[in-house]
Amino acid sequence: AQSVTQLGSHVSVSEGALVLLRCNYSSSVPPYLFWYVQYPNQGLQLLLKYTSAATLVKGINGFEAEFKKSETSFHLTKPSAHMSDAAEYFCAVSDYQAGTALIFGKGTTLSVSS
Amino acid sequence: GAGVSQSPSNKVTEKGKDVELRCDPISGHTALYWYRQSLGQGLEFLIYFQGNSAPDKSGLPSDRFSAERTGGSVSTLTIQRTQQEDSAVYLCASSFLGGGGAGETQYFGPGTRLLVL
Repeated sequence: AQSVTQLGSHVSVSEGALVLLRCNYSSSVPPYLFWYVQYPNQGLQLLLKYTSAATLVKGINGFEAEFKKSETSFHLTKPSAHMSDAAEYFCAVSDYQAGTALIFGKGTTLSVSS
Repeated sequence: GAGVSQSPSNKVTEKGKDVELRCDPISGHTALYWYRQSLGQGLEFLIYFQGNSAPDKSGLPSDRFSAERTGGSVSTLTIQRTQQEDSAVYLCASSFLGGGGAGETQYFGPGTRLLVL
């Protein structure tokens, strides 16, 4: 069965610092991988996704993620954090063969301090 | 253009009552999904509709939960005889084609926050 593990339920960074949110997946077939962001009292918004094209994926708001098959990882990074990046971030996996329902990690709350 | 909309945005009910949650997907999207977001369980898949095909109900937690999609558009999630553990945010999402192709993006609504007293 597929699963997603997000290491660290809370991450705190200073404004301007590197953001690194970790995601590891388990899948028996090549997966599709997604990062979503959720701001307070809002739905989920897609940041970026990996669909077996380039392994380095660039998304919105300066975020990017690298698919590493050997490490079964899809970590999310941003070189310089902004206060507006404070939110909850979810990594998700979708298996083409199993259907299209997304399987989500538990989420990581990012706090940004000035 | 309009995104996915859900109503009501908040719902407070008493244990044992039935509730209906509504989702309006993005126009033209044939696939519609319901998820539940709760503190203890994170984000869980509930049910998936694709066109006129039979829905994938594999995520529904009990037979108190049901959903329908009328006319291939609006969907209603019904919870009968609500329990306190049903308290959660219920999220609806839609995508253009569904069917597992090409890692389709699912577009989420703002959710319905359900509180069962």
